[in-house]
Amino acid sequence: QSALTQPASVSGSPGQSITISCTGTSSDVGSYNLVSWYQQHPGKAPKLIIYEGSKRPSGISNRFSGSKSGNTASLTLSGLQTEDEADYYCCSYGGSSSWVFGGGTKLTVL
Amino acid sequence: EVQLVESGGGLVQPGGSLRLSCAASGFTFSIYWMHWVRQAPGKGLVWVSRINTDGSSTSYADSVKGRFTISRDNNKNTLYLQMKSLRAEDTAVYYCVRDPRTATGDDAFDVWGQGTMVPVSS
Repeated sequence: QSALTQPASVSGSPGQSITISCTGTSSDVGSYNLVSWYQQHPGKAPKLIIYEGSKRPSGISNRFSGSKSGNTASLTLSGLQTEDEADYYCCSYGGSSSWVFGGGTKLTVL
Repeated sequence: EVQLVESGGGLVQPGGSLRLSCAASGFTFSIYWMHWVRQAPGKGLVWVSRINTDGSSTSYADSVKGRFTISRDNNKNTLYLQMKSLRAEDTAVYYCVRDPRTATGDDAFDVWGQGTMVPVSS
């Protein structure tokens, strides 16, 4: 299983919106609506922010939203805040009881 | 409070073995699938292994298959990862992760431990 493809970095100014893409294949992202997204601040454990493509866990801001088209999933973060600066990872079920993560995207809030 | 606490990490020589533990509390451990996910220094997350609720079914990433064994003791609310024939490329923080699909139907990694570091070096 090859890692899902994410941009290495994205940036935005406070109040703006950004989108992080996550590209897989027809064997993972394209076959299942089972993409999740995780936020990781430096030195901390990852935190679930989106699951099953577009669902938000309890307590997660509605500024986070997820979507999918074909083999590409996307995370959109609106109304950027300084505390959103972190690394973001996508993850997809890859079939045959395996999972695959993206390489991660560093979000910088300018 | 729902909590996962890993232990057992530490420096190990190439070719050596190590067993990681993950103590679960604050939830009914026996009804959840569990996973191990690792992160090499400065790198991304990588899924390592998964175990079902009663331990009868397991799966592994190709990179660790045949060397790592995941197991659980539901009486002790503890998840394990036995690692053998360790290589430098296994150096990483290892996270214990909860999967709620059998409890709530949700497909996600919803609770993460703080991680335990395993450096493999001579």
